[in-house]
Amino acid sequence: DSGVTQTPKHLITATGQRVTLRCSPRSGDLSVYWYQQSLDQGLQFLIQYYNGEERAKGNILERFSAQQFPDLHSELNLSSLELGDSALYFCASSPGTSGYEQYFGPGTRLTVT
Amino acid sequence: KNQVEQSPQSLIILEGKNCTLQCNYTVSPFSNLRWYKQDTGRGPVSLTIMTFSENTKSNGRYTATLDADTKQSSLHITASQLSDSASYICVVMGNAGNNRKLIWGLGTSLAVNP
Repeated sequence: DSGVTQTPKHLITATGQRVTLRCSPRSGDLSVYWYQQSLDQGLQFLIQYYNGEERAKGNILERFSAQQFPDLHSELNLSSLELGDSALYFCASSPGTSGYEQYFGPGTRLTVT
Repeated sequence: KNQVEQSPQSLIILEGKNCTLQCNYTVSPFSNLRWYKQDTGRGPVSLTIMTFSENTKSNGRYTATLDADTKQSSLHITASQLSDSASYICVVMGNAGNNRKLIWGLGTSLAVNP
């Protein structure tokens, strides 16, 4: 158990809808990272937050947004969902900003029908 | 373009055998290289992290090597167990500006059969 929690574990929704994925980092970690992993694909870095502020941006679509709250939990919002958004979404956390050691949550499996 | 390429794409071995997974990268300048193990449907778990000055690092039956000159790394698994069946992912971090993001390989899918 990495100490990173993600909810929900599974999510099934229809195209065009909007969903919110939630992540709670390990106790004491200030950075949260979001990744997308499509079937048989590598992990794609989406975005990083550090202590409430956006720190780094990866291949995140404009339809996606994220934020980190004062209690350090983070939410990833996915809107106008398309079939291709079906994937595993992982959250990771680390103590600082460098991401030298990242601890991954169990992931949220999103299925768009 | 910064890239991380892994080989083989997939591998099947018998329980108790050894195997070696390869990772070639073009990320430059280079900060560190990590190997992660990802069980199906689970989050990746770190096995080793090596900086450019480290040649070898072990974690139990897992031994990673790094040649920063040729930009190659390998992960050697000895006396494989059924629980080693997973995807093994090589991840490289650059060392300057926007290059400090992690570049993830696609992984090698390892199946250990009884």
